[in-house]
Amino acid sequence: AQSVAQPEDQVNVAEGNPLTVKCTYSVSGNPYLFWYVQYPNRGLQFLLKYITGDNLVKGSYGFEAEFNKSQTSFHLKKPSALVSDSALYFCAVRDINTGGFKTIFGAGTRLFVKA
Amino acid sequence: DARVTQTPRHKVTEMGQEVTMRCQPILGHNTVFWYRQTMMQGLELLAYFRNRAPLDDSGMPKDRFSAEMPDATLATLKIQPSEPRDSAVYFCASGLASGTGSTGELFFGEGSRLTVL
Repeated sequence: AQSVAQPEDQVNVAEGNPLTVKCTYSVSGNPYLFWYVQYPNRGLQFLLKYITGDNLVKGSYGFEAEFNKSQTSFHLKKPSALVSDSALYFCAVRDINTGGFKTIFGAGTRLFVKA
Repeated sequence: DARVTQTPRHKVTEMGQEVTMRCQPILGHNTVFWYRQTMMQGLELLAYFRNRAPLDDSGMPKDRFSAEMPDATLATLKIQPSEPRDSAVYFCASGLASGTGSTGELFFGEGSRLTVL
């Protein structure tokens, strides 16, 4: 069965500093990997995805993520955090070998960026 | 601006009542997902459809929950009878999939916040 782990409930970072939100996954085959962001009282919004190819993917609002197959990780990063980045971040995975439709989300990581 | 529309946005009901939540996926999308979000459980996948056919509803309590797609523009999630533990935010999401899976992202609605007293 596919699963996603986000080991940190919360990440605190000062504005202007780099941020990392961690994600590890487990699938039986090859994964499709996604990051989403959720602002208060809103639905989730897509940030970026890894399907194939370059392990470093770039997405919206200056975010990027690196796919590491050996470590089964897909950590979200940003070189310089903004206060407006404060939100709830979700990592998600699809397992290609089980049809490639079912999307499972991690528990979420709350990011606080302090001015 | 294409978006997933969910109704109602908020619903307060009493235990034992029937609750129906509706979702209009983005036109042209052929996969629809229902998720439930709570503080304790996070985002749980309840059911999902492809081309209106249910692919997996193993995440739903079968005795009280049902999910359907009467047509390509409407997905419904029904709870009968509702219980206080069903209180949560229910999200609908849609996406575009080919025959061998979906590489595309999901587009989420704003959610239906359900409170069962």
